[in-house]
Amino acid sequence: DVQMTQYPSSLSASVGDRVTITCRASQNIASYLNWYQQKPGKAPKFLIFGASNLQGGVPSKFSGSGSGTDFTLTISSLQPEDFALYYCQQSYSTPLTFGGGTKVEIK
Amino acid sequence: QVQLQESGPGLVKPSQTLSLTCVVSGGAISSDSDYWSWIRQAAGKGLEWIGRIYISGTTNYNPSLKSRVTISVDTSKNQFSLMLSSVTAADTAMYYCARGTGYKNFEDWGQGTLVTVSS
Repeated sequence: DVQMTQYPSSLSASVGDRVTITCRASQNIASYLNWYQQKPGKAPKFLIFGASNLQGGVPSKFSGSGSGTDFTLTISSLQPEDFALYYCQQSYSTPLTFGGGTKVEIK
Repeated sequence: QVQLQESGPGLVKPSQTLSLTCVVSGGAISSDSDYWSWIRQAAGKGLEWIGRIYISGTTNYNPSLKSRVTISVDTSKNQFSLMLSSVTAADTAMYYCARGTGYKNFEDWGQGTLVTVSS
């Protein structure tokens, strides 16, 4: 199985801050990496596919980068609606696996 | 955009079989390009992929659950289902169904349904 590790597990930031979340795969997964946002009591929302491609309707303040084993999700200017849990997920091989999540909290 | 809605018993007794259904609306479940997954999330925990089914009937399951899982599809009702046998308290979780296509594994999600395993 491909193990996905996210860090930090949580971070505190202020509105307007630039935030970066890191995801590391246990083996080379090329660009087969997706990102999701989950708010309390809600299902995850699909944000980014193929490491850097924004899903339709997702604001351009979200961006993704990386390939191989190391990936990042960046939020360019944090807004109140962005405080949530973020998960990475590898689509390289089954079983499909997720990172442990990063909670973005208000400072 | 496709909508998905999970349904099923909210309480299952230990050793019994958990059965959930996901009804798909706003699109045909029989699309050749799509596949249909189940994912679960225990309270305060991360996401765990359970498995998926293609319209052809091909299934992929998480090896950690494979011996207990069956996913099936009913195109006449535009729905797919999950059966998880021999449940224990460890299977208590929010269960989500999702649509995927290509490497967009979980593009659309249902709202989730909470299943508690308890006597």
